[in-house]
Amino acid sequence: QVQLQESGPGLVKPSQTLSLTCTVSGASIDSYSYYWNWIRQPAGKGLEWIGRFYGSGSTNYNPSLKSRVTISLDTSKKQLSLKLSSVTAADTAVYYCAREAVAGKTGGNYFDYWGQGTLVTVSS
Amino acid sequence: SYELTQPPSVSVSPGQTASISCSGDKLGNTFAYWYQLKPGQSPVLVIYQDTKRPSGIPERFSGSTSGNTATLTISGTQAIDEADYSCQAWDSSTAVFGGGTKLTVL
Repeated sequence: QVQLQESGPGLVKPSQTLSLTCTVSGASIDSYSYYWNWIRQPAGKGLEWIGRFYGSGSTNYNPSLKSRVTISLDTSKKQLSLKLSSVTAADTAVYYCAREAVAGKTGGNYFDYWGQGTLVTVSS
Repeated sequence: SYELTQPPSVSVSPGQTASISCSGDKLGNTFAYWYQLKPGQSPVLVIYQDTKRPSGIPERFSGSTSGNTATLTISGTQAIDEADYSCQAWDSSTAVFGGGTKLTVL
């Protein structure tokens, strides 16, 4: 079955770069039927979409984070990566990776599989 | 920026029907999605494209829309349904989530 597993440091210092990896198993990561996303949830708050990677190298990012985010995909390792620079305490959150199923040209994509999430705390 | 508004909390007695709303200006023109979140677990898609239920999701979960409001309905609510529920929509190529609703089964 499809499984996504996030990994990376649980503690990052302010102003540094947060780096996470999501390892995918049970699914083809280079299929054009799926996009690959990062989503986060600060404690006590709602989910926030960070961005996605799709196709042969296309990305979309949340406008509020775009200047600090890089999402990449390593198909040989079946890994999705997230880099978020210049972090502050406001970036403390549970970070999820999620697969987005492409519904068709008219839209309707949805997140059908998620990882369990990994907590990243930004603190000195 | 586009926003989706959900009530912070909803309470329901076991066996009763729970309804969770999600309002947003563009919901009349774009699909709504619903996710169930439980601590320490992977979020689960429970409704997609307004009304569709993924395989494996119990029939007691249903979705509907009216105007700019989407609603998740859980009929015959069970204790295991106690969780946070988040709605989601697309604003062009950006995913937008509601603030989440904590469902308490009393």
